[in-house]
Amino acid sequence: SAVISQKPSRDICQRGTSLTIQCQVDSQVTMMFWYRQQPGQSLTLIATANQGSEATYESGFVIDKFPISRPNLTFSTLTVSNMSPEDSSIYLCSVERKSEDLSTDTQYFGPGTRLTVL
Amino acid sequence: AQSVAQPEDQVNVAEGNPLTVKCTYSVSGNPYLFWYVQYPNRGLQFLLKYITGDNLVKGSYGFEAEFNKSQTSFHLKKPSALVSDSALYFCAVRDVFYNQGGKLIFGQGTELSVKP
Repeated sequence: SAVISQKPSRDICQRGTSLTIQCQVDSQVTMMFWYRQQPGQSLTLIATANQGSEATYESGFVIDKFPISRPNLTFSTLTVSNMSPEDSSIYLCSVERKSEDLSTDTQYFGPGTRLTVL
Repeated sequence: AQSVAQPEDQVNVAEGNPLTVKCTYSVSGNPYLFWYVQYPNRGLQFLLKYITGDNLVKGSYGFEAEFNKSQTSFHLKKPSALVSDSALYFCAVRDVFYNQGGKLIFGQGTELSVKP
């Protein structure tokens, strides 16, 4: 498995402000992923972050709204910019690790950041 | 397009009874299927996966899942439910066409409630 931590665990923010979420992994990984889970909804991938390159965003998500940094192989940040109440969600980072028999990759998730925008 | 569906928003079982949480999938090629559990105010925890091989996959906390290719299903099961199993369960399929690797497509989730 993987030990993944996120900061903050939760926050309440005002409309129009920005929040940066940090994700720290216990060992080096090539790719890190950021997901959003809106209230009562499933998870949707926002973007994939590789170290040393620009993040790749999914349809419906743009860099100006969700800038991502990936300065090294164990850390990434996601910023939610110019927030509105519609951004209220749980934001989760995840990483892939090879299974014990090296047959495939399994994705492991951080504890999430619960964001409420007023 | 690849997708998974969880037809039940909520499943209620009595403690000690067997439980089943349903998942069906639609993929091109061989499916890579996963089950995750989300406890209140917690992140997602990996339960089990099917890649190839034996159709009955065993995972964490006594859970298992049965892969059925003809019915395109991957139902999660447990012989005897515990109150502590109450949580939100997600089925997911790996998007093998995603060139960045690793993208998971999730079902809408099933809330499992186990009553004493």
